[in-house]
Amino acid sequence: DVKVTQSSRYLVKRTGEKVFLECVQDMDHENMFWYRQDPGLGLRLIYFSYDVKMKEKGDIPEGYSVSREKKERFSLILESASTNQTSMYLCASGSDSPYEQYFGPGTRLTVT
Amino acid sequence: QKEVEQNSGPLSVPEGAIASLNCTYSDRVSQSFFWYRQYSGKSPELIMSIYSNGDKEDGRFTAQLNKASQYVSLLIRDSQPSDSATYLCAVRKSEAGTALIFGKGTTLSVSS
Repeated sequence: DVKVTQSSRYLVKRTGEKVFLECVQDMDHENMFWYRQDPGLGLRLIYFSYDVKMKEKGDIPEGYSVSREKKERFSLILESASTNQTSMYLCASGSDSPYEQYFGPGTRLTVT
Repeated sequence: QKEVEQNSGPLSVPEGAIASLNCTYSDRVSQSFFWYRQYSGKSPELIMSIYSNGDKEDGRFTAQLNKASQYVSLLIRDSQPSDSATYLCAVRKSEAGTALIFGKGTTLSVSS
């Protein structure tokens, strides 16, 4: 079974803090993704990576950056956390074909 | 037009009935389609993928794809209370590699 893990289930940070969310997958997948999920807005893609050190912006990259130094690990960075970044953050990984994505358990981030 | 559309529901069915969940998409050249199940407070779980026109069956689940009508559906036979969840339809973005576009989901409630 595919295993995607995220560093924290719940996180509370203060406005202006730098926040790191980490994701690790054990299936040797080329692709990794970061989403946020908010009520009424659904899943929105923040960034994705198709190879080590490679990244592409998703639909809502503003205020976020990412890092992928190793194939199995993909980090999401909130440079200066703001209250509107309070959300559920979901990491996913998947192969080039058949393009299925598998999600980690999620991190519920609260910025106060 | 939204890229992936689903009725938000809730769709309510009695135990043992067939639940029918529908999804339309706007990108005519999309080739890969997925259904995810998401229980409240949990992350999405892949339950079906479909790539060719027609039906694909897996246990009590049947995915149906009609590319000419840009329509994909999920049928759940013999619905159980444990099927109560939000079902997300996802479509691969044809011009952006492996990224998926998600609908906002349909909430299914199965009453015993």
